[in-house]
Amino acid sequence: DTAVSQTPKYLVTQMGNDKSIKCEQNLGHDTMYWYKQDSKKFLKIMFSYNNKELIINETVPNRFSPKSPDKAHLNLHINSLELGDSAVYFCASSQESLALYEQYFGPGTRLTVT
Amino acid sequence: AQTVTQSQPEMSVQEAETVTLSCTYDTSENNYYLFWYKQPPSRQMILVIRQEAYKQQNATENRFSVNFQKAAKSFSLKISDSQLGDTAMYFCAFLPGGTSYGKLTFGQGTILTVHP
Repeated sequence: DTAVSQTPKYLVTQMGNDKSIKCEQNLGHDTMYWYKQDSKKFLKIMFSYNNKELIINETVPNRFSPKSPDKAHLNLHINSLELGDSAVYFCASSQESLALYEQYFGPGTRLTVT
Repeated sequence: AQTVTQSQPEMSVQEAETVTLSCTYDTSENNYYLFWYKQPPSRQMILVIRQEAYKQQNATENRFSVNFQKAAKSFSLKISDSQLGDTAMYFCAFLPGGTSYGKLTFGQGTILTVHP
């Protein structure tokens, strides 16, 4: 059983395009996140959603728009893709309400912008 | 703001030996959590071990244990009986306590290679 899944795992696209990455968790968690891992492997949080409400937005450009249709899903839409958006994007989830703070990560989506 | 520093970009160890990965952090918080994550070449992020700051006892998970020194703000990971499958990048991470909604801060990572 996959706990946190992401689609697609690889995404190659051209500058200026719009693309989406989908994330689903079947752990029953109430909080979901998007992280970006750059070419130097540095991981940084982008967004955090709790019960479908945006909690953290870490000064991410407006071209990035997360959407949480329900507690189990958190999608990431990116408009007008730029070369600098090339990275691995990770979705994660945790159960904040039970003070279970471990975050479980999806397999990552490698985005390449050409 | 919190910072997490891993001063060892790369480490290597022979199979079956023990290795220790270092991590220091800076915070003014008294309540927080610390984690070690493993990222093998498959790129999946895997939780290895967690430590609550209010607990004095060091966390242990099978071959993995930590040395948590709260006053020194140090959180090292010891891997005993190293196995080839332990080859990965290891990240130390800090999480403020309370309702922080998961604002994990990661260190730069340490690449560990286990040699046969």
